[in-house]
Amino acid sequence: EAGVTQSPTHLIKTRGQQATLRCSPISGHTSVYWYQQALGLGLQFLLWYDEGEERNRGNFPPRFSGRQFPNYSSELNVNALELEDSALYLCASSESSPRLYEQYFGPGTRLTVT
Amino acid sequence: AQSVSQHNHHVILSEAASLELGCNYSYGGTVNLFWYVQYPGQHLQLLLKYFSGDPLVKGIKGFEAEFIKSKFSFNLRKPSVQWSDTAEYFCAVSPDNYGQNFVFGPGTRLSVLP
Repeated sequence: EAGVTQSPTHLIKTRGQQATLRCSPISGHTSVYWYQQALGLGLQFLLWYDEGEERNRGNFPPRFSGRQFPNYSSELNVNALELEDSALYLCASSESSPRLYEQYFGPGTRLTVT
Repeated sequence: AQSVSQHNHHVILSEAASLELGCNYSYGGTVNLFWYVQYPGQHLQLLLKYFSGDPLVKGIKGFEAEFIKSKFSFNLRKPSVQWSDTAEYFCAVSPDNYGQNFVFGPGTRLSVLP
């Protein structure tokens, strides 16, 4: 069974640009989560999508946004990039109820903002 | 707001030493508890999980964790560590309530000396 996949592996952008990160969940999983793992800060929850709807978002500004497609894949958009957005962005997927099922993580996209 | 704390930022042990990593959370309701591990260069993997029942749960690679509800704790243990256990360990909490996000602790880096 294929795991969670993310693309691209690395992304280098300059300040003020926009970045788009993509995630494909495990087959059969309908929930997708996005996390930011910045150096020294651990994992910070960004967004949760389930069945195409945004269910919850973390304490991040509105320039962090995303969507979930009908095939349950997802993309994360970061507008007006700032230097502090440099981090590893992790995507995870789970079956529909987070109460019952654990999250499976992808390898991440390393975003570098210069 | 929910929070998860991990007692140690960096733990250094020799092979065969016993390990205990502390995790405490602040949430008054029913929770699901997880320990994830991130080996160098690899993505996050689930070590073990607690949903209900026996508060002592066993995971992969000889790890176990004990849920003590009165102390809001979910400490990870291993009787004898190996060099291959060198990794970063994250405790995570998911409230038993649809609509809530996972909250991760800041992580504990474990270095096992050969």
